[in-house]
Amino acid sequence: DAGVIQSPRHEVTEMGQEVTLRCKPISGHDYLFWYRQTMMRGLELLIYFNNNVPIDDSGMPEDRFSAKMPNASFSTLKIQPSEPRDSAVYFCASSTPSGGGEQFFGPGTRLTVL
Amino acid sequence: KNEVEQSPQNLTAQEGEFITINCSYSVGISALHWLQQHPGGGIVSLFMLSSGKKKHGRLIATINIQEKHSSLHITASHPRDSAVYICAVRGRGGGADGLTFGKGTHLIIQP
Repeated sequence: DAGVIQSPRHEVTEMGQEVTLRCKPISGHDYLFWYRQTMMRGLELLIYFNNNVPIDDSGMPEDRFSAKMPNASFSTLKIQPSEPRDSAVYFCASSTPSGGGEQFFGPGTRLTVL
Repeated sequence: KNEVEQSPQNLTAQEGEFITINCSYSVGISALHWLQQHPGGGIVSLFMLSSGKKKHGRLIATINIQEKHSSLHITASHPRDSAVYICAVRGRGGGADGLTFGKGTHLIIQP
C-alpha cells in the first residue's frame, strides 16, 4: 500500500481565499484523523471519522473549518475564509482497530496564508 | 496545564550515549504512542503500548499505568536518531480516539 496520501504538499494562499486539503487513507482503515501542527501549540486533533462518520469535531477551531468524508477512500478539510493564523502543517492519519489502533500519518500539507 | 508533559524539551548528546525521554500524563488512557518526527516533517509511529515494555532494535519503551508515566530509551545512540520524539495518549473512549500530544523532545546526537 502507498500509505496515507495527502495533497497538496504545499499550499500558499492569500487571506480570505478558500483552501481545500485532501487525504486518501490506507485502504481498509476505517478511522481517519485530521491533525494540525504549529510551533506554538504543537500537534492538535481537529476531527476524526469512523466509517466516514464524524465522531469528534471538538478540535475544529471555528466555523471557518469544515471536514467531510464522502467515502472510505477520501476526505477533505476546508478552510473558508482562510486567515494568516491558519498557517500550519496539516496531517491526516488513518488506523484500524484490527491493527491495534496504531495510526499511520500522511506526509502533511504545509499551508501558508499570506 | 497540558495533559501530556514531556521532558526534557531539548537534549543534545554524544554518539553512543544512552538516551531517556520521559512522558507523564494526567488522564486515563487506553494506549500511549511514541512518535518520531524527522527534520523533513514526516511522522512515524515507533511504539504503541498500554502496559509493560516494548523493544524494537535499539529503542525501548516502557509504561507504568499506575504512575501515569512512560519512558523512551535509545541505546547506543547514533546521529541518525536526531529527531523530535513525541509522546501521545489515546483516551478510553470506544473505538480509536484521536491522540493528545506532548510538545515533543528535540534530540540531537553529535558524532
